[in-house]
Amino acid sequence: GEDVEQSLFLSVREGDSSVINCTYTDSSSTYLYWYKQEPGAGLQLLTYIFSNMDMKQDQRLTVLLNKKDKHLSLRIADTQTGDSAIYFCAESRGQAGTALIFGKGTTLSVSS
Amino acid sequence: DTAVSQTPKYLVTQMGNDKSIKCEQNLGHDTMYWYKQDSKKFLKIMFSYNNKELIINETVPNRFSPKSPDKAHLNLHINSLELGDSAVYFCASSRDGTGNYYGYTFGSGTRLTVV
Repeated sequence: GEDVEQSLFLSVREGDSSVINCTYTDSSSTYLYWYKQEPGAGLQLLTYIFSNMDMKQDQRLTVLLNKKDKHLSLRIADTQTGDSAIYFCAESRGQAGTALIFGKGTTLSVSS
Repeated sequence: DTAVSQTPKYLVTQMGNDKSIKCEQNLGHDTMYWYKQDSKKFLKIMFSYNNKELIINETVPNRFSPKSPDKAHLNLHINSLELGDSAVYFCASSRDGTGNYYGYTFGSGTRLTVV
């Protein structure tokens, strides 16, 4: 199937860590991405990980990849109210002309 | 400088009308896409063009027709609009169609409302 699965909602308090989880479908996917969508806006690429990596850290963002279980997670440290948005996981087969397959998105709500 | 620009940003029209959405990218990318985001925020690929050639054509009503006059432009024309066409339509581009390293760059979306 083509479904990339994510939990739909996550609510955290400001200053806490947020962990958004994703299960993707194709073990041959070469790149996995996290996109952020703020209300009324387009999609902003946050980070990506190549399939031969287990972890990638970029400032407050940590991406973990478990290729065996086809599980991807995004951890946001010291979550701020400005992090409130929808976060999409996406997979790419890495072949020319293929499209990104998106999960349904996780709405992150940060309360102060 | 806007990398991927779509016009119009908002489009309200009556059922049965024909409308077009334009997209332009100034990134020098080879591949462009149209995605549809429904009311539940689910994103689904509609079309992809690589160097003006149609690569992906998902199960989309044939009332939707993409047109790529050159590799920097991908327009979406919709005939006989229906209520169910109401959604946000995103244009995107990628360097070589693989999305490797840089992912895809998205436009800010066109919110289409059919009344």
